[in-house]
Amino acid sequence: GAVVSQHPSRVICKSGTSVKIECRSLDFQATTMFWYRQFPKQSLMLMATSNEGSKATYEQGVEKDKFLINHASLTLSTLTVTSAHPEDSSFYICSAYKVTEPQETQYFGPGTRLLVL
Amino acid sequence: GENVEQHPSTLSVQEGDSAVIKCTYSDSASNYFPWYKQELGKRPQLIIDIRSNVGEKKDQRIAVTLNKTAKHFSLHITETQPEDSAVYFCAAGGSNYKLTFGKGTLLTVNP
Repeated sequence: GAVVSQHPSRVICKSGTSVKIECRSLDFQATTMFWYRQFPKQSLMLMATSNEGSKATYEQGVEKDKFLINHASLTLSTLTVTSAHPEDSSFYICSAYKVTEPQETQYFGPGTRLLVL
Repeated sequence: GENVEQHPSTLSVQEGDSAVIKCTYSDSASNYFPWYKQELGKRPQLIIDIRSNVGEKKDQRIAVTLNKTAKHFSLHITETQPEDSAVYFCAAGGSNYKLTFGKGTLLTVNP
């Protein structure tokens, strides 16, 4: 199979604090991981592409200094929301791209629900 | 960049009927078209996908068709069941592994 985990599943923090979210591919190596944000009743919006060993590539409109991404190993990418504000409250989902057979595609983590008070 | 349009936004069917969701894409370089099912508060789950060298793919009650010339692809669910109720997303991707998602279709299957 292809299992992707995320931690934590839920986090509540005060405005101005930073929050780190971990994304792990448990049974395969992923040189490429993706971070998405999903607001209620909306689609998944790609925030950035995380590449192992190099800098992340951010989508237009996403602040790289606010959403720090580190892809330190072939199985772990982290997203840090710095100086979080209430408008950052959302469902953050990562995915890891599996390039080997039998199913070459993106596999999603279970998501992290962030609430900033 | 890629733009994916998905219709309808909501779809209500009776149990046993068929459901069809359609998507169009803009980038002719896209060559990978997955469909995801997302239940409330959970992760998207891949249900079927198709690559640009194939016109149709079927997996039990689910099928996907692709028309590269017209740049559209569709999801077909036959003999719908209440447990098929969820939000369905289409997506389009290319060689850089990135996916662009449609806005989603809320499917409700009434018993």
